[in-house]
Parts: sequence; C-alpha cells; structure tokens
Amino acid sequence: DAGVIQSPRHEVTEMGQEVTLRCKPISGHDYLFWYRQTMMRGLELLIYFNNNVPIDDSGMPEDRFSAKMPNASFSTLKIQPSEPRDSAVYFCASTPWQGNEQFFGPGTRLTVL
Amino acid sequence: SQQGEEDPQALSIQEGENATMNCSYKTSINNLQWYRQNSGRGLVHLILIRSNEREKHSGRLRVTLDTSKKSSSLLITASRAADTASYFCATDGAGSYQLTFGKGTKLSVIP
Repeated sequence: DAGVIQSPRHEVTEMGQEVTLRCKPISGHDYLFWYRQTMMRGLELLIYFNNNVPIDDSGMPEDRFSAKMPNASFSTLKIQPSEPRDSAVYFCASTPWQGNEQFFGPGTRLTVL
Repeated sequence: SQQGEEDPQALSIQEGENATMNCSYKTSINNLQWYRQNSGRGLVHLILIRSNEREKHSGRLRVTLDTSKKSSSLLITASRAADTASYFCATDGAGSYQLTFGKGTKLSVIP
C-alpha cells in the first residue's frame, strides 16, 4: 500500500485565493482526519470523518474552511478565501478503527502571501 | 487546550546515550500514543499504551504510563543519529477517540 497520499506537497498562493488540498486515505480505513501544524499552535485536529460522514468539525477555524469526503478514497479541505494566517502544514491521516494508531500523509505546506 | 505536553522542549545527546522524554496530560485517557516526526515529513506512529498498562517495549523504545500522575515517558536506548526528530505524545480522552497532540520534544542525536 502506498500509504496516505496528499497533494499538492507545496502550495503558494495569494491572499484571497481559493485553496484545495487533497487526500487519499489508505484503502479500508474508515476514519479520516485533517490536521493543521504550526509552530505556535502545534498539531491541531480540524475535522474527522467516519465512513465518509463528518463527525466532528469543531476544530475548523471558521467558515472559510470546508471539508468533504465524497467517497471512501478521497477527501478535500478547501479554504476560501485564504489568508496569510492560514499558512501552515496540513496533514491528512487515516485509521481503520478508533483508538488505533493513525497513519499520516506527508503533508501539504501551504504559504499564503 | 493541548491535552499532552512534552518535556523537555528540546534535548541534545551524544550517539549511544539514552534519551528520555516526558508527557503530561490533564484528563482521563483511553490510550496514549507516541509519534515521531522527521523534519519536513509526516508523523510516524511508534507505540501505543493503553490506560490499563504500565509499561510497554518495542525494540529500543520503552514507554511507561502513570495514570495517577497523568504522565508518560518515552525512553530511547542506545540512541543513533537517525533518531534525530521531534517526538509527540497523543492522547484520546475517555468518551472520545480523537487524538490530541502535545507540542513535541525536539531530539538531536550528535554522532
């Protein structure tokens, strides 16, 4: 298995632009998580899905952020409009069941100018 | 708020020495996990210890858990330069299986 796949690996955009981050979880994993990592705040859970259904999005910073999981093999995290304070590394992770180890993707480094 | 907090924030040791990192948390947990992150990479799971376990070993790793003190420690024995990375503890609280991560300990192993 190729592991969790994220794209793009790096994204540089200008303030106000829409940004879409993509994730392909490991096949058979029922849970998918989106995290954001910054020096100041560390690793924060944004949202997680179970069987493609969003379970808890309380970590999503504001309405500019949205996430979808249209099927078991694909999820997106969208920021519209983007702001410089959104600059961070965004990780996607998956796991076959709750309470188990999570498998992380390589992350997307987002820079908003 | 962060559930787990690692201590120290940074640690520098010579190759061959042992490295000990500590994690404290605030509320009851189901499991505590340790992850490693190499610079510019995603997190990699190292070991999971359940709330009813006190100690667990995996290769050169030894993890202890003291639920009465709400703390855990990760010991890496006979460290290698390749162990240079940031180490995070993550907890999932009673009634919730979402992981909450600490800010990590940055370990540097000098050859």
